[in-house]
Amino acid sequence: DIQMTQSPSSLSASVGDRVTITCRASQSISSYLNWYQQKPGKAPKLLIYAASSLQSGVPSRFSGSGSGTDFTLTISSLQPEDFATYYCQQTYSTPPVTFGGGTKVEIK
Amino acid sequence: QVQLVESGGGVVQPGRSLRLSCAASGFTFSNYGMHWVRQAPGKGLEWVSVIWYDGNNNHYADSVKGRFTISRDNSKNTLSLQMNSLRAEDTAVYYCARDGRITGTTGELDYWGQGTLVTVSS
Repeated sequence: DIQMTQSPSSLSASVGDRVTITCRASQSISSYLNWYQQKPGKAPKLLIYAASSLQSGVPSRFSGSGSGTDFTLTISSLQPEDFATYYCQQTYSTPPVTFGGGTKVEIK
Repeated sequence: QVQLVESGGGVVQPGRSLRLSCAASGFTFSNYGMHWVRQAPGKGLEWVSVIWYDGNNNHYADSVKGRFTISRDNSKNTLSLQMNSLRAEDTAVYYCARDGRITGTTGELDYWGQGTLVTVSS
């Protein structure tokens, strides 16, 4: 199975900050990488698919990049509603679908 | 609008069974693969199972293989997960989720239900 490693596991940031989360795959997954946002007590929400495509309705301050084994999710200007946990997910080699361990974005 | 509503969670003793359901609406259910994903308390996301849009194929995570069975009824727009021989480590919120590609099972999950909590405890 392909392992997904996110870093950092948590971070503190202020409103307006630029935030970058990284995700590394244990082998090349081309661009088969998705990002989800999850708020406490809520279901995950798809933000980015195919590494860099913005899901409909997602604000343009979110962007994704990368291919192969290294990927990033960037929030260009952090907003109050962006404080959440973010997960990467590979869909290159399935089953199984595998998720990263998550990155919790907290208020500084 | 797309809606997925899970039900059937609860408290169950180890070794017992439970059946989860997911009622789908707002889209042509029979065109989409469907997944179950779970999340143990305070932990990350774990994919559990997928079923093809037509029900003719399915896959499971190794952790549930042989104990869980995924099924669907396209005439009733319903997805199910039969969970047998439950263990404490199966305790989690279980989400049903739609695959993002028509007739696909890519694992790109574009709509999720609100989840149903399963607690396995004596």
